[in-house]
Amino acid sequence: AQTVTQSQPEMSVQEAETVTLSCTYDTSENNYYLFWYKQPPSRQMILVIRQEAYKQQNATENRFSVNFQKAAKSFSLKISDSQLGDTAMYFCAFLLSNSGGSNYKLTFGKGTLLTVNP
Amino acid sequence: NAGVMQNPRHLVRRRGQEARLRCSPMKGHSHVYWYRQLPEEGLKFMVYLQKENIIDESGMPKERFSAEFPKEGPSILRIQQVVRGDSAAYFCASSPGTSAQYFGPGTRLTVL
Repeated sequence: AQTVTQSQPEMSVQEAETVTLSCTYDTSENNYYLFWYKQPPSRQMILVIRQEAYKQQNATENRFSVNFQKAAKSFSLKISDSQLGDTAMYFCAFLLSNSGGSNYKLTFGKGTLLTVNP
Repeated sequence: NAGVMQNPRHLVRRRGQEARLRCSPMKGHSHVYWYRQLPEEGLKFMVYLQKENIIDESGMPKERFSAEFPKEGPSILRIQQVVRGDSAAYFCASSPGTSAQYFGPGTRLTVL
């Protein structure tokens, strides 16, 4: 079974600064996806960024980028130029990509509450 | 291009009543998933459906809970004889295949 750990229950950052959220995971599989989802006060779950495990290049989406360290099983999210609208709960999630297995059950961490201060 | 739609957004039921939660996947998505989020927790997988088929319901309680995804119409998560412990946010997600899942806004169920 896979597990996802987010060791920072809460973080805060000043507007326009950079913040990094940590995520580690445990799996014996080699092929998988990793995701960061954002849940703002509206409680909607929004996909922020996705990383395929076979890709060495770190994914980026505008101000959001990841540092994927496969050997260390680490998948951190960096938010640059933080904005007030980035205030949300951030969840790291794992998904197997092997066919024939449970390649549809997202496994989530418990989340990190990020507050961006003006 | 409408996203995943869920209704109602908020549902209040008394103990012993039935709750019906609806989910319409994104256009072109044939895979539907239901997750439950308890307070202060991440989402937990409940069930995975494709049209007219339940693929995996291993995360769903064996009693009182059922799910369907008929040929026509939305996917339904049904909870019979609700209890206070069923109070949670229920999220539906859809995908075109088994890859990135896109979530709806959730239904917040409160059992009085």
